[in-house]
Amino acid sequence: QKEVEQNSGPLSVPEGAIASLNCTYSDRGSQSFFWYRQYSGKSPELIMFIYSNGDKEDGRFTAQLNKASQYVSLLIRDSQPSDSATYLCAVNRDSSYKLIFGSGTRLLVRP
Amino acid sequence: EPEVTQTPSHQVTQMGQEVILRCVPISNHLYFYWYRQILGQKVEFLVSFYNNEISEKSEIFDDQFSVERPDGSNFTLKIRSTKLEDSAMYFCASSVARGVNQPQHFGDGTRLSIL
Repeated sequence: QKEVEQNSGPLSVPEGAIASLNCTYSDRGSQSFFWYRQYSGKSPELIMFIYSNGDKEDGRFTAQLNKASQYVSLLIRDSQPSDSATYLCAVNRDSSYKLIFGSGTRLLVRP
Repeated sequence: EPEVTQTPSHQVTQMGQEVILRCVPISNHLYFYWYRQILGQKVEFLVSFYNNEISEKSEIFDDQFSVERPDGSNFTLKIRSTKLEDSAMYFCASSVARGVNQPQHFGDGTRLSIL
């Protein structure tokens, strides 16, 4: 079982729609959950992070965490073509320094 | 906004040669990291560094790799004898602290090409 799993996509949505990106993780000891955006050939750029069950909103982005289901998601409202990128889910145990990344979901926002 | 800076952006090296990748973490950050991403694959953790010593390392980080903070601002990754399979993007990251609400911020990366 992969430690962090994401659907590779591509997830294609029209401009203005809500994009929903999902991530599951296998380690119940995971404490912090991060969403990064990565444009092709570029570095991961932090979008937001969450560590408590429930929702956390930041502008057009909402992260949702359900530790019982070992599931974290990212919603992007009013999607723009500039949101087209690969979205990486990363998790961290409090006892560890490292981030464990998923393979990413490629999002395509159609104008 | 403060950022992590990495040099060079692209390094081409002959197999068997030593290479040093350089990073300047965000100035008030205390924890430093190296990750790599082979083309088309996921981002993988290599090593973390705190208080002038390695705090955690992965299986990838074998004896061919070393890290150093030679002064108050730079953080380096050295690969002693490069192999073809070391070709990848290498990302440096830093964080203020370690804990549930401490994100790691990544530099733009160094693309390492081994010939």
